[in-house]
Amino acid sequence: QKEVEQNSGPLSVPEGAIASLNCTYSDRVSQSFFWYRQYSGKSPELIMSIYSNGDKEDGRFTAQLNKASQYVSLLIRDSQPSDSATYLCAVIYNQGGKLIFGQGTELSVKP
Amino acid sequence: GAVVSQHPSRVICKSGTSVKIECRSLDFQATTMFWYRQFPKKSLMLMATSNEGSKATYEQGVEKDKFLINHASLTLSTLTVTSAHPEDSSFYICSADPGQGTYEQYFGPGTRLTVT
Repeated sequence: QKEVEQNSGPLSVPEGAIASLNCTYSDRVSQSFFWYRQYSGKSPELIMSIYSNGDKEDGRFTAQLNKASQYVSLLIRDSQPSDSATYLCAVIYNQGGKLIFGQGTELSVKP
Repeated sequence: GAVVSQHPSRVICKSGTSVKIECRSLDFQATTMFWYRQFPKKSLMLMATSNEGSKATYEQGVEKDKFLINHASLTLSTLTVTSAHPEDSSFYICSADPGQGTYEQYFGPGTRLTVT
């Protein structure tokens, strides 16, 4: 059973702080990793993709991948109340393109 | 770019009727589209992979005769929930991969189905 694990939260951070979201996956052969943001009642929105070890930055978001530890994380700098949402980690295990989602981490940014 | 639409956004139907949901890629062609369902406070569960010009591939436990998928063109996939029952009430979301080798999937806005 291929699994993607996330802490369900809620994770609460003050406005302006760094929010750190973590995800582990079970299959070592995974090559493609994604972070999606989902607001309540809406569909997921892709915010980051990462494919190789190390950091990838896009604006206030930084994705970090460590394949040896089977760990991927998302850092949100200068968190804003509008970042309050559920963040879904997703992994593709094979070239068939099927995404396996974690259960999501609910982030709450307090003004 | 990479915009996916769904129609309808919300539908209420009576038990025993069928409902069709359309998923369109607006600015790209998608050989493959995916259908998910999501229950409240739960993560997305893949129902099936829709392949243009061929039969859909269903995940284990998903009834292919109940959830009919047709991928008629490179920009349109449809999901028909046949003989709907209250337990089919859910948030149905499609996604599409623009096929640029990144495996990124872009999601439609979702369809909220309520069966009474």
